[in-house]
Amino acid sequence: GIQVEQSPPDLILQEGANSTLRCNFSDSVNNLQWFHQNPWGQLINLFYIPSGTKQNGRLSATTVATERYSLLYISSSQTTDSGVYFCAVVNRGSTLGRLYFGRGTQLTVWP
Amino acid sequence: GAVVSQHPSRVICKSGTSVKIECRSLDFQATTMFWYRQFPKQSLMLMATSNEGSKATYEQGVEKDKFLINHASLTLSTLTVTSAHPEDSSFYICSASPPWGGSNSPLHFGNGTRLTVT
Repeated sequence: GIQVEQSPPDLILQEGANSTLRCNFSDSVNNLQWFHQNPWGQLINLFYIPSGTKQNGRLSATTVATERYSLLYISSSQTTDSGVYFCAVVNRGSTLGRLYFGRGTQLTVWP
Repeated sequence: GAVVSQHPSRVICKSGTSVKIECRSLDFQATTMFWYRQFPKQSLMLMATSNEGSKATYEQGVEKDKFLINHASLTLSTLTVTSAHPEDSSFYICSASPPWGGSNSPLHFGNGTRLTVT
């Protein structure tokens, strides 16, 4: 199946700092989503971004489908941004919605 | 829109018993739902694809007789962990995609069920 690699695996930031999370995938994709998993396990859908650039407040994401990577930018980080960030993709040609997840980036933001 | 509800959020059961987890799409019909499992500090792994009115499709290594999936209606899929053992303790989470976005709709997730088998 498609391989999804995320980097870095762990990231520790001071509040107010900016960060970039990366997601590489091994094959063409129909869908790509970024999620934030909070300490209670809830998956918060941040972006649905199979290509292009989107912004939502302090967060933005860019997917370059032809080069098989996506980036998630977090600006002016806050302690509430802490948690695990997952990138997940749907392989082109596979069953609708069958998302494959990367291993995630554990983000810790200190006050 | 596109709300997925999962119940229960937490369950503790004794070894050998069975546990049923429900996944509902509240404001859309979902012919396909997905079940994932997440062990502590690990990623989400797809267990099976639940298809309304037909048999589920299981990922390699997932025991069909252990994890029974029923998708009897367009808004409800259930996962039953049969004869649960401590190694089945995990976080189970379901997802579905609303049909109005076409073939590239984003996937929406329930809040998950934390299963602890004692």
